[in-house]
Amino acid sequence: SAVISQKPSRDICQRGTSLTIQCQVDSQVTMMFWYRQQPGQSLTLIATANQGSEATYESGFVIDKFPISRPNLTFSTLTVSNMSPEDSSIYLCSVEDLPGQAFSYNEQFFGPGTRLTVL
Amino acid sequence: GQSLEQPSEVTAVEGAIVQINCTYQTSGFYGLSWYQQHDGGAPTFLSYNALDGLEETGRFSSFLSRSDSYGYLLLQELQMKDSASYFCAVRVDTGGFKTIFGAGTRLFVKA
Repeated sequence: SAVISQKPSRDICQRGTSLTIQCQVDSQVTMMFWYRQQPGQSLTLIATANQGSEATYESGFVIDKFPISRPNLTFSTLTVSNMSPEDSSIYLCSVEDLPGQAFSYNEQFFGPGTRLTVL
Repeated sequence: GQSLEQPSEVTAVEGAIVQINCTYQTSGFYGLSWYQQHDGGAPTFLSYNALDGLEETGRFSSFLSRSDSYGYLLLQELQMKDSASYFCAVRVDTGGFKTIFGAGTRLFVKA
């Protein structure tokens, strides 16, 4: 299992500014993911962050808007740049247990989320 | 692209059995997962099916039919604490593994 913490837990920001969200895991993990979730809605994958390589972004998300760092196997950051009210959401960090073992047990652990409000 | 369909809402009474269906259209499919999320909480893992058939874990069971691109989550002996959102999610490999979530099913358990 993995225990994940995120900072900040919530923030209220002005449009045009940027916010960096930190994700810390209590064990080394290969694969980390960043999701976005509107309250009551589904989780949308933003990008996959692997240590030692650039993040892989999903359709509709770009590095200039959501730069990601992954300096080691226990830590990652997601920056929401040049924010607008449409960026208001919950941002979740997630890690995967037993990566690559697709035909066996597979579980993702989620952090508590960062609730972002952009005014 | 990837798409998943599940009912938006289900209501059941305590002690009953409820089934939440999930159909998917995807490339690079490896398996189907189910997650539970209570209001204000993070999603938590319930089950994963990579092969056809039924997986049972206590009161919860999950089923997969790869040929039908279909799965379901079965919750037995419903309790009030089971009121939550339930997400099916497909694990895919499109040049790297990732998990794509469905829209979620809101389950209301009534006394």
